[in-house]
Amino acid sequence: GQNIDQPTEMTATEGAIVQINCTYQTSGFNGLFWYQQHAGEAPTFLSYNVLDGLEEKGRFSSFLSRSKGYSYLLLKELQMKDSASYLCAVINSNYQLIWGAGTKLIIKP
Amino acid sequence: GAVVSQHPSWVICKSGTSVKIECRSLDFQATTMFWYRQFPKQSLMLMATSNEGSKATYEQGVEKDKFLINHASLTLSTLTVTSAHPEDSSFYICSAMDREPQPQHFGDGTRLSIL
Repeated sequence: GQNIDQPTEMTATEGAIVQINCTYQTSGFNGLFWYQQHAGEAPTFLSYNVLDGLEEKGRFSSFLSRSKGYSYLLLKELQMKDSASYLCAVINSNYQLIWGAGTKLIIKP
Repeated sequence: GAVVSQHPSWVICKSGTSVKIECRSLDFQATTMFWYRQFPKQSLMLMATSNEGSKATYEQGVEKDKFLINHASLTLSTLTVTSAHPEDSSFYICSAMDREPQPQHFGDGTRLSIL
C-alpha cells in the first residue's frame, strides 16, 4: 500500500524553531508538497520538492531525501499565526496525490 | 498567480435540497480539478478527480449519482450535492492544477449545513 506518516501533533514556543517530519512509501515518486491549513480554512501551498536537498523560502524550509523516503518542514522564528495543521503530500508514479493526515502545530507564547 | 475561486462560501438549506458549488481557476487553465470533503478535525478526503471534457473519476465509496461533477471548461468545475441530507453536512473544498506535477491550488472551501 501507499502511506505517508507524520506526527499527529506538535507543540512549540513562539520565536523558536520546529521541524515537522514526513516519511512516505508510495508507488513511485514525482514530488512532495507541503501545505498549511488553518482551522476552518482550505489548505494553502507552501513548498514543492522533487530533488534531494533543502529549499528555503523565508522562514520556512523544506528538505527531501528520496533515498530515505523522508522530508521535513522547518519553521523558524515561530509566530502565533503559524499555529495550523501542516500537510505532507506525495505525487506517485501515476500522478496521484497521496495525502498525509497532517500535523497539528500548537504555538505557545 | 494561481488563484482558485470557490462559491458559495456557506450554504444552509433544508433536507432534500440540491446544492451546486462552483470552482473556478481565475488566472490559469486547470486541466484537472479535484473535489475534497473534510469533517471537523479530520483529514482531507478526496472525493473525485475531473478532467475538462471527460467524466469525473470518483474515489471508492463516493456515490457518483449523489455528487454530480461537471467540468465543462478549463476554468470551471461544479459539484452538485443532490437531495442533500444532514449527513452530507461538511466542508467541501475544490482544487485545481494546470499540469502535472504542479501543486494543487485550493479554493476557500464551502461550508455546507443541511438542516
